[in-house]
This record gives sequence, C-alpha cells and structure tokens, in this order.
Amino acid sequence: SSELTQDPAVSVALGQTVRITCQGDSLRNYYASWYQQKPGQAPVLVIYGKNNRPSGIPDRFSGSSSGNTASLTITGAQAEDEADYYCNSRDTSGNYYVFGTGTKVTVL
Amino acid sequence: QVQLQESGPGLVKPSQTLSLTCTVSGGSISSGSYYWSWIRQPAGKGLEWIGRIYTSGSTNYNPSLKSRVTISIDTSKNQFSLKLSSVTAADTAVYYCARDRYDSGVYYPGSFDPWGQGTLVTVSS
Repeated sequence: SSELTQDPAVSVALGQTVRITCQGDSLRNYYASWYQQKPGQAPVLVIYGKNNRPSGIPDRFSGSSSGNTASLTITGAQAEDEADYYCNSRDTSGNYYVFGTGTKVTVL
Repeated sequence: QVQLQESGPGLVKPSQTLSLTCTVSGGSISSGSYYWSWIRQPAGKGLEWIGRIYTSGSTNYNPSLKSRVTISIDTSKNQFSLKLSSVTAADTAVYYCARDRYDSGVYYPGSFDPWGQGTLVTVSS
C-alpha cells in the first residue's frame, strides 16, 4: 500500500486556483516531487525540491510543504492542466521511493 | 538533451521472466552521479517505483518486489535493464525508465526527469 495519500479527484473552474495535497509521514523529513500525467503519456515532472520548476513548466504551478503534507497549487488553472497528478518522495525509512495515490484534476 | 527509450517483449507468459532494456541517448549513462530507475503503472492505476541503479552498479529495490527484481547496467551499450521473475497477471503494466533530475550542479534523487515513453508489458498465456 502507498504511504502517500492524495484526494482521488478535485475540480476547479477555469482561471481559478486549486490545491492538491499529499499526506505521509515521510514528508516531515523529505520534499515531495510532483508529476502531471495526461492520458496515454508518460508523467512529466512539474515540481521538485523545495519549490523548483523544470524549464517549460508554467509559473502557475507551485509547491509547498508543512508537517506531513505537501501541496501542489495551480494558480489560474487552464484547460490544459486537466490531468492526473502524482506526488512522490522517499518512504518513511528513507530507503526507497513511493508515489502518491494520484489526484484527477478536472477543469470546469 | 538526454532521452530514454524502453524496449522489450510486449507479451510474457505467467511464471516467466520479464526483461526490458532502457537505452539512453544524448549523453553517457556513466557520466555524472545519476541514479537510473524503473517505474510501472498498471492500466487505470497509479505509479509504482520498482528500483534503481547507480552508475557504479549499486542498486536499491522496492521491498515489495525485491525478491523478484534485478536491475543491471551496461555502460558500453549506454543501457540499463530490468528483469522481473515469476511474473503473474498482476505484473501487467506500462513500464517506464527514468533518471534523477539534475539542475545547476545539484542532483535530486527521486525526482524523475526525464522519463521514457513507456512500454506495455502484458502477462498472459
């Protein structure tokens, strides 16, 4: 079973802000990374480290962390942001990696 | 720009060994201090990290798969490989290879970028 828990689905109106959360004990000690996955495609890294975006990722994507919860925020969601989002980090032992359960984001 | 490409049989019989290769292009697999990972995703389900290999050959595996997994590296071919033994239908998935993110002199283990496009492996008789 996954050690990182995400809400299964969230929806957001076009242009509004949505926060996706990822909960797990390991997040007290390790940063989460965030991935966007569209149907039939490989995941794409959108946030890594404290709050870093790879080149080409819009600045409407941002990451934060508090306690055992990491968050991905999309400020001003666009239609193309509709996708599945996964967090990942180390497990509580720090010896391997786990992915979150995934969140489906729908842009209305 | 480094690119990864998975290859291998798309159909494997139950109880047999799944074998996949990830070919790295646009850079040397042995340059830098990267970990190279395998990740899988059953249809309609989430992502599962399988394991990783360092350029030196040291490995780490997901405990849930450790008894069945072997990851190896061939620097002469710029490839790393996955072997998963005693497969069942539960191992049917899209298998991805990926590398740790590297940015401005800093490695980010466990932040996977880039990824290969993925390859579907079906376990069926």
